[in-house]
Amino acid sequence: AQTVTQSQPEMSVQEAETVTLSCTYDTSESDYYLFWYKQPPSRQMILVIRQEAYKQQNATENRFSVNFQKAAKSFSLKISDSQLGDAAMYFCAYRRLTGANNLFFGTGTRLTVIP
Amino acid sequence: ETGVTQTPRHLVMGMTNKKSLKCEQHLGHNAMYWYKQSAKKPLELMFVYNFKEQTENNSVPSRFSPECPNSSHLFLHLHTLQPEDSALYLCASSQSPGTGGYEQYFGPGTRLTVT
Repeated sequence: AQTVTQSQPEMSVQEAETVTLSCTYDTSESDYYLFWYKQPPSRQMILVIRQEAYKQQNATENRFSVNFQKAAKSFSLKISDSQLGDAAMYFCAYRRLTGANNLFFGTGTRLTVIP
Repeated sequence: ETGVTQTPRHLVMGMTNKKSLKCEQHLGHNAMYWYKQSAKKPLELMFVYNFKEQTENNSVPSRFSPECPNSSHLFLHLHTLQPEDSALYLCASSQSPGTGGYEQYFGPGTRLTVT
């Protein structure tokens, strides 16, 4: 079974600084998708970034980038130039490449941005 | 309305009550999902519907009864719930996997409290 582990329940970062959120996962599949979702206090979960495991290049979306280490089954999220609006719960999620579109989530990391 | 909407946003019910949660997606998707989000636990997938057909039921107790009358609407009927069912219930939608879809879009959730 696929499991996703986020070992940092809480993190904080100074505004304009950089923070990295950790995620590891366990799977026997060779191809799959990985996601980072953000859930602000208003609770609407939104997709931050997506990584296809068959792509070697790390995904980047503006200030958000990932460090995907397939052999280590690690998928960390780096937020650069942190802004107050980045404060939220961040969830790492895994999905198989084919078959059911089921997402497996981690327990989340609560990020606080300090002005 | 845009995206995925859920009503009500908050619900308090007694253990003998019957209530329903409603989800509507305005994205033209054909897959819909119910998740349960409890504190300090990963999101738990409850039900999956593809083209109005239920394709996944993750051993959810029968006191939760889903209904999907069309690809845009999803209901979760609740009856004789237990206090441990108190949680945030999230609805999501996506394109069906067979059509290449994998990104799920979430609603804001219904905060359910069972007294």
